[in-house]
Amino acid sequence: QQQVKQSPQSLIVQKGGISIINCAYENTAFDYFPWYQQFPGKGPALLIAIRPDVSEKKEGRFTISFNKSAKQFSLHIMDSQPGDSATYFCAASKGSNYQLIWGAGTKLIIKP
Amino acid sequence: GAVVSQHPSRVICKSGTSVKIECRSLDFQATTMFWYRQFPKKSLMLMATSNEGSKATYEQGVEKDKFLINHASLTLSTLTVTSAHPEDSSFYICSARDPTSPGQFFGPGTRLTVL
Repeated sequence: QQQVKQSPQSLIVQKGGISIINCAYENTAFDYFPWYQQFPGKGPALLIAIRPDVSEKKEGRFTISFNKSAKQFSLHIMDSQPGDSATYFCAASKGSNYQLIWGAGTKLIIKP
Repeated sequence: GAVVSQHPSRVICKSGTSVKIECRSLDFQATTMFWYRQFPKKSLMLMATSNEGSKATYEQGVEKDKFLINHASLTLSTLTVTSAHPEDSSFYICSARDPTSPGQFFGPGTRLTVL
């Protein structure tokens, strides 16, 4: 029940296309859902995050869509660029300690 | 804002030696810091959670006598890998929680290679 399931494991998108990564969770007590971007040999960087009382959040080319009833959330990257090529992790947390439960990661490759 | 530094970025040591990794929150006070280990092409594995001034809470399967964590101030936490062995070779990443924000902010990671 603590798991966060992420798909796909890898994704190849043409430059200018839309990249979509999906995550699903079981624990309805989760109340914070961040997405992290990680480049090889670097630490993860917080990209965008959402709370369950909001169905969508947009920051620049990045959008989180949240479906509370389905217990799913997804990351959409519009106008994908080669510089977006990285590994993306979804995560979830609950409570005041904000300990993160991680998805398995998606390796995104944007082809020029 | 919310910058976390980690030092060293890379360390190579001989088997049996101890290695200390520092994690600093540069522009905020971190009441809670986390230490992770990441294997190639894998997700992050939480090793321990440390709160300033108290003992770290270790995840199941993580040897607390081998991975010593100290969180002596609101801006510094250290991880010491004692008597390191080749199987301890990994990418170690710290993160810190800014109390004014819900997220965790990560350091750049430390690549440990034990020969």
